[in-house]
Formats: sequence, C-alpha cells, structure tokens
Amino acid sequence: GAGVSQSPRYKVAKRGQDVALRCDPISGHVSLFWYQQALGQGPEFLTYFQNEAQLDKSGLPSDRFFAERPEGSVSTLKIQRTQKEDSAVYLCASNRGGLYNEQFFGPGTRLTVL
Amino acid sequence: AQSVTQPDIHITVSEGASLELRCNYSYGATPYLFWYVQSPGQGLQLLLKYFSGDTLVQGIKGFEAEFKRSQSSFNLRKPSVHWSDAAEYFCAVGAFDGNKLVFGAGTILRVKS
Repeated sequence: GAGVSQSPRYKVAKRGQDVALRCDPISGHVSLFWYQQALGQGPEFLTYFQNEAQLDKSGLPSDRFFAERPEGSVSTLKIQRTQKEDSAVYLCASNRGGLYNEQFFGPGTRLTVL
Repeated sequence: AQSVTQPDIHITVSEGASLELRCNYSYGATPYLFWYVQSPGQGLQLLLKYFSGDTLVQGIKGFEAEFKRSQSSFNLRKPSVHWSDAAEYFCAVGAFDGNKLVFGAGTILRVKS
C-alpha cells in the first residue's frame, strides 16, 4: 500500500486487559511517530523512532505504555492493564527523516476501554 | 514549552464564502508551523507548512496561510469554500526539542449550502 496503515481500526477492551496496536509505515520511511488523540482534542505526541531506535518517549503517559520497532519498519504500541482514560484514537505517522519533513499519518486505531 | 491555540472550536461558513481559521502559537524562536486537515475516518493530511522565507505560504486544495511573527499567528485562509472542505483543521508547531509536533485542539469547519 502507498500509505501508513494501522490495525486494528477499532479495539474494545475491558479495563485491565492488555492491548497491542500495530503500525505499518510507508516503505523506506526511517522515522515513525505515535500520537494519542482524545475526543475533542488535538493529537498529543507519545513517542518517536528513528529506524529501530526509540529516540524520544517523553510523551508516554505511564509505564503501562510501551512501544517497539525491532526491525526498523513495523511498530507496535502496547498498553498494559488498560484504564478508561486510555480511551482515545492512537495515530501513527512516518516520514523520511530529517527535521520536520512531512509526517504522513495513518487512519488511527480507536481504542475504547469499558 | 511550545503550545498552539485555536480559539474557534466550530466555524460555519456558506459554500462559496471566504474562510479564515485562527492559530496562535507560543514558541521561543523561529517556529516550524503546519496546518493539517482531518476528515472523518481519514488520517491527518498536510495542507501546508512554514519554515522560513516568504510569510505567505500556499498549500494544497486552494488553501494559504500567513505567518505573522508580531502576532504569533499562522492563520489559514481560503477565498471560496467548497462543501468538501468540511472537516476538522489542526494547526501544529514543531517542538524545538525534536521532531515531534505540538497540535492545537482543532477547529471543526461546517459548510452550509
């Protein structure tokens, strides 16, 4: 595919369950970003990878959130012991690297925690 | 820390009318500024960006934005709105400590026929 893809598109979890959200960036893009978008808000930065290296995880809200990109392409955002406040759309973006090159966003995964 | 304010949560304009969406930023140096559009079920799409140089920036879909340092603003404009422009619009600034973007809360644009 030509764009960033994310799966699943929708996820419903019971409070306390673990979830894993997947991001497939555009082929060849070295940088990958995760953002969290709460209802009625703009996206908020979570973490950033350059290839397989996680260069910035300052936006992860707690140690229940974990992201990886082991081979420098696909990335997974894992949330352990989900809480209701984790309900949001999780957006993934990628770009070719370099400073502030256009970030291409995926459609997002809407997580609802009951 | 950097921040972005979009004062208008909702704006309604008639089809064919002009549009201006407001964006104010807080940043200590020359900012990297962006406007994105988000349609329902779609990812964010870049409309335009400002890094330096000419303060009037042209983007896709007939949009333009003007950077005004004295007002810390980067307002988005379009001379004639089409029904397909109905969406949510986000202004963003590049954080000085890395590649991440800091977004405003967004403005929902409604177009009435």
